[in-house]
Amino acid sequence: GAVVSQHPSWVICKSGTSVKIECRSLDFQATTMFWYRQFPKQSLMLMATSNEGSKATYEQGVEKDKFLINHASLTLSTLTVTSAHPEDSSFYICSASLQGASSEQYFGPGTRLTVT
Amino acid sequence: TQLLEQSPQFLSIQEGENLTVYCNSSSVFSSLQWYRQEPGEGPVLLVTVVTGGEVKKLKRLTFQFGDARKDSSLHITAAQPGDTGLYLCAPRASGTYKYIFGTGTRLKVLA
Repeated sequence: GAVVSQHPSWVICKSGTSVKIECRSLDFQATTMFWYRQFPKQSLMLMATSNEGSKATYEQGVEKDKFLINHASLTLSTLTVTSAHPEDSSFYICSASLQGASSEQYFGPGTRLTVT
Repeated sequence: TQLLEQSPQFLSIQEGENLTVYCNSSSVFSSLQWYRQEPGEGPVLLVTVVTGGEVKKLKRLTFQFGDARKDSSLHITAAQPGDTGLYLCAPRASGTYKYIFGTGTRLKVLA
């Protein structure tokens, strides 16, 4: 159990375009999902916390207008990178929490974004 | 910002050797998770420790949470090439719902 999927697994886009990444909890309902970014050879950095039916909470230094997060249902959260630039190229990973934010997190397989 | 250190950052050992990875902080944590991540994939949860002094075993992996809940260790016995990966500790600070990720230990086990 506790399977989280992400789509797409990798995407290449041109600078200035927007890209949407989906995160789904397949076998459980996740009231809270988290979005992370991971640069090569580095650890995971939390970008934002996504709560179903409410606005996402962004970490300091993360632009909410650039990284739009929508958590419309208990099994789906989306991250849209708007007006992407090459420096946004990274590995984006989501996680979903069982029984709310206080419980364990299970991670998706990640999405590799390359902006040319 | 809480300071979280993992050591060593890199470790290359021969198959069959033992190793220990450490996760240290000056902050007290309500719980801590260990993950293993392989290149191009998301982290996979190995264990969650909650109680100070708690020891959990997962086959050849032994996890310990410090008595004061400020640190943790992961010990691997008789390492195998399949253990190769990035090991991440992720404690949750008391009073918060977020997990903070350490810098990670990149382990390579040579056959």
